[in-house]
Amino acid sequence: AQSVTQLGSHVSVSEGALVLLRCNYSSSVPPYLFWYVQYPNQGLQLLLKYTSAATLVKGINGFEAEFKKSETSFHLTKPSAHMSDAAEYFCAVRRGYQKVTFGTGTKLQVIP
Amino acid sequence: ETGVTQTPRHLVMGMTNKKSLKCEQHLGHNAMYWYKQSAKKPLELMFVYSLEERVENNSVPSRFSPECPNSSHLFLHLHTLQPEDSALYLCASSQEDTTYEQYFGPGTRLTVT
Repeated sequence: AQSVTQLGSHVSVSEGALVLLRCNYSSSVPPYLFWYVQYPNQGLQLLLKYTSAATLVKGINGFEAEFKKSETSFHLTKPSAHMSDAAEYFCAVRRGYQKVTFGTGTKLQVIP
Repeated sequence: ETGVTQTPRHLVMGMTNKKSLKCEQHLGHNAMYWYKQSAKKPLELMFVYSLEERVENNSVPSRFSPECPNSSHLFLHLHTLQPEDSALYLCASSQEDTTYEQYFGPGTRLTVT
């Protein structure tokens, strides 16, 4: 079975500091992995995706994630946090045709 | 309209009411999904439609009834709901033979009184 684990339901960073949101996956086959962001009262928006091409994936809003097979991780980073980054972030793994499993989410708070 | 739209955005209904949620995707995708998002719980996949045929139903109670009349529209018919059904209901679509990622609508915030 394929699943994702997001470490930390809440993360706080200072404005301008590094953002690191952790995601570990379990998968019996090479995975497709995604990061989504959800702002209050909105749906999920795709930030970036890994589909077995480059291991370092760049997304929107300055975010990137690195696929590390040896660590079964796909952590999301951003060098400098902005106030507008405050939102909830979801890691997800594609587990087959039309099936995606989402993590439980990490709420990012940015402190001015 | 662009992307995935959902109406209504907010809905309050009594336990004996019947209502429907509507989703429309303007992306030319071949698959559509209903998800339930409750506080402090993972996103729950409810139904999957591929080319208007239901391909997955994750043990959802029969008081939720989906309908997909064409590849662009998806409905969720609601009747005799329970207070624990109060949640954000999200619709999504994807193109399953090429890009795989799902595109989400803004959701309908449902409150059952």
